Amino acid sequence: KQEVTQIPAALSVPEGENLVLNCSFTDSAIYNLQWFRQDPGKGLTSLLLIQSSQREQTSGRLNASLDKSSGRSTLYIAASQPGDSATYLCAVYSDSNYQLIWGAGTKLIIKP
Amino acid sequence: EAGVAQSPRYKIIEKRQSVAFWCNPISGHATLYWYQQILGQGPKLLIQFQNNGVVDDSQLPKDRFSAERLKGVDSTLKIQPAKLEDSAVYLCASSLELGPTPGYGYTFGSGTRLTVV
Repeated sequence: KQEVTQIPAALSVPEGENLVLNCSFTDSAIYNLQWFRQDPGKGLTSLLLIQSSQREQTSGRLNASLDKSSGRSTLYIAASQPGDSATYLCAVYSDSNYQLIWGAGTKLIIKP
Repeated sequence: EAGVAQSPRYKIIEKRQSVAFWCNPISGHATLYWYQQILGQGPKLLIQFQNNGVVDDSQLPKDRFSAERLKGVDSTLKIQPAKLEDSAVYLCASSLELGPTPGYGYTFGSGTRLTVV
């Protein structure tokens, strides 16, 4: 059974710092991995999608990497801003049941 | 384009009462998902529709939860009777089609926050 873990559960850093969020999964038989952002009272917004054959994806200040063999992904945020404060969730699309399996998220606070 | 609409935004009910949530997906999206997100956890898929047919409802507690998608458009999710552990945010999402790369095609609604007291 696929399990997705995100560490840390919460992170608070000063504005301007570069930071890394971690995601690990137990079954390497994934189709893709996605990073989402969730703001309080709002829905989930997809940030980056990495296909299983890819190593990384970039969008602006965000860079996501995937090491499928070790079951790990990282989301790198460069030059953090207060507007980046949100909960970041990773989810893997499993080959076995064609569903998104979610981590519990990392709550990120960027202090001005 | 208009997003996924959900109502109500908030609901407080007593245990053993019933409650219903409504979702209107993006026009043309064939696939509709209902998720339950308990505080501090990731979303858990409850049911997945393709048009008006159920694709997967393996994690839906069928003794108390029911869902339908009449005419393959709007959907309702009902809980009857509610329990304290049903307190959560219920998220609706839609995508153009069923498949492994919904990716950016996944659009989530803002959710309904349910509190059972």
